Amino acid sequence: ETGVTQSPTHLIKTRGQQVTLRCSSQSGHNTVSWYQQALGQGPQFIFQYYREEENGRGNFPPRFSGLQFPNYSSELNVNALELDDSALYLCATGQHNSPLHFGNGTRLTVT
Amino acid sequence: GESVGLHLPTLSVQEGDNSIINCAYSNSASDYFIWYKQESGKGPQFIIDIRSNMDKRQGQRVTVLLNKTVKHLSLQIAATQPGDSAVYFCAETPYNQGGKLIFGQGTELSVKP
Repeated sequence: ETGVTQSPTHLIKTRGQQVTLRCSSQSGHNTVSWYQQALGQGPQFIFQYYREEENGRGNFPPRFSGLQFPNYSSELNVNALELDDSALYLCATGQHNSPLHFGNGTRLTVT
Repeated sequence: GESVGLHLPTLSVQEGDNSIINCAYSNSASDYFIWYKQESGKGPQFIIDIRSNMDKRQGQRVTVLLNKTVKHLSLQIAATQPGDSAVYFCAETPYNQGGKLIFGQGTELSVKP
């Protein structure tokens, strides 16, 4: 068990809709990162938050946004969903300069 | 651009044998490397990590080797067990890039009983 919980586990949305994915972790993990994993591929870095501020962003458009809350929980929001957004979305948490620990992800399907 | 790649997409070994999974990276600025194991339906699970000031690190049944000269990383699993069957990813963190992990595509390890 990594102590990282993601919800929901599965989600089906229609193209053009908006989605919010959630992540919570054990206390003390002040860094949270989000990754997108397409089928058969390695995870791709979306962005990272440290102490509630964005601290690094990958090659994803602005319609991917996030939040980190004072209790270190986090949200990933995706607007104007596209078919290619269908993937497993992974949240990873940790402390600064320590390895990230991943949740089991949210499987998003866009139809 | 930067990338982390794996030499073999699949690896099949006999139970009890040793497994070696290889990884090449291209970013000389990377200073931290991690191996993750991902089982079906689960997120990546941390196995072992190594910093660029080391060339070898051992854990329980696993060893990671880092060769910075040729930008090569390997994961050795001793006495491979059926429970080791999974996809293995190496990941690198370039220095000063906000903790961004760059993953390779993964190697699927299959352990035959």
